[in-house]
Amino acid sequence: SQTIHQWPATLVQPVGSPLSLECTVEGTSNPNLYWYRQAAGRGLQLLFYSVGIGQISSEVPQNLSASRPQDRQFILSSKKLLLSDSGFYLCAWTRGSYEQYFGPGTRLTVT
Amino acid sequence: TQLLEQSPQFLSIQEGENLTVYCNSSSVFSSLQWYRQEPGEGPVLLVTVVTGGEVKKLKRLTFQFGDARKDSSLHITAAQPGDTGLYLCAGVPNTGNQFYFGTGTSLTVIP
Repeated sequence: SQTIHQWPATLVQPVGSPLSLECTVEGTSNPNLYWYRQAAGRGLQLLFYSVGIGQISSEVPQNLSASRPQDRQFILSSKKLLLSDSGFYLCAWTRGSYEQYFGPGTRLTVT
Repeated sequence: TQLLEQSPQFLSIQEGENLTVYCNSSSVFSSLQWYRQEPGEGPVLLVTVVTGGEVKKLKRLTFQFGDARKDSSLHITAAQPGDTGLYLCAGVPNTGNQFYFGTGTSLTVIP
């Protein structure tokens, strides 16, 4: 069976510090991978998605970037965090276009 | 960005009541999914609909995809406290690999 991991689970970082969030998928190959951000009690904002190694599509210009160094690894980064980067970050993978499976999420607080 | 508006945004009902959540857009989607999310966790897929007019049932939940594939509804019969959570719809456009999420409906079922 497939599983998706995210770490860390929670993170508190000062403004201006760098960020690296990691997502890995097990039990499948060549998945489409996604990064979302969610405000409390609201819908998900698509940040980046990737259909293969080194292929990144950005949905919203941000202070963030993404990379896919391996088939089942997706990384979300920032060089300098802003207060507005606080939120709940979710990684997801899909098999085809019909089903999306989410990781447990990372709660980021920028202070 | 293709917007999906959900209504109502918040819903608080007594156990045993029925409810309907709506997901509307001006865009056509090749498929539409419904998810439920618990606080601090990732969304969990409930159902995928792909054909205009399609109706799917999952125990007490009934999902319908609009004939024009622009909207969907989720109906819950005899709601239970375990149904409490954030309900999210998500649409996949005819081209591309993006999933666009709705604004969310927060449901509370009071025992």
